[in-house]
Amino acid sequence: GAGVSQSPSNKVTEKGKDVELRCDPISGHTALYWYRQSLGQGLEFLIYFQGNSAPDKSGLPSDRFSAERTGGSVSTLTIQRTQQEDSAVYLCASSSVQRETQYFGPGTRLLVL
Amino acid sequence: AQTVTQSQPEMSVQEAETVTLSCTYDTSENNYYLFWYKQPPSRQMILVIRQEAYKQQNATENRFSVNFQKAAKSFSLKISDSQLGDTAMYFCAFMKARSTSGTYKYIFGTGTRLKVLA
Repeated sequence: GAGVSQSPSNKVTEKGKDVELRCDPISGHTALYWYRQSLGQGLEFLIYFQGNSAPDKSGLPSDRFSAERTGGSVSTLTIQRTQQEDSAVYLCASSSVQRETQYFGPGTRLLVL
Repeated sequence: AQTVTQSQPEMSVQEAETVTLSCTYDTSENNYYLFWYKQPPSRQMILVIRQEAYKQQNATENRFSVNFQKAAKSFSLKISDSQLGDTAMYFCAFMKARSTSGTYKYIFGTGTRLKVLA
């Protein structure tokens, strides 16, 4: 595709529900990153994929957060039993190879009521 | 651990004038990359400029240029001939050039909100 796409653009959910956020990276990009942008914490790294494997999950804030990537392309970030503090913008980025510039998607704004 | 500091939460500039956004960072690495990203209200993070630490020459992209002072660990962004479309949040970011963990994640500053006034 022309750029990184994410869906949904906005998501409102109730506390305790599970949500899935999708990222479609630029075609051919092997590296994929998830970041979270929240008012109190700024932009923080969540997880990194190289192909379908995730060598670095160190930024996931709790075991309610998980992510997978299939076919070396689309990635899904899942948040189980959402809490109000999960409300944030979730950004996905991809790069052609490691150490290259990352290109970001428009993000998913998650609001947990 | 690396840290990135943007000490100016908000700035404003008159259209057509020049503005400089500051960024300092802390690292023990010798090789790394620095970036400035722009985030307009659409939320799309857009790369403005990139600097490799091993390059002494400051990066330039049209109206955007940086003042990279490696010894001082400073990486400021200068916007010349400011335009209304430059209104956005600007984030400074750091990335290692070598990673034993295999992760080349960005470390971001907290951002500077720039408003260009007509």
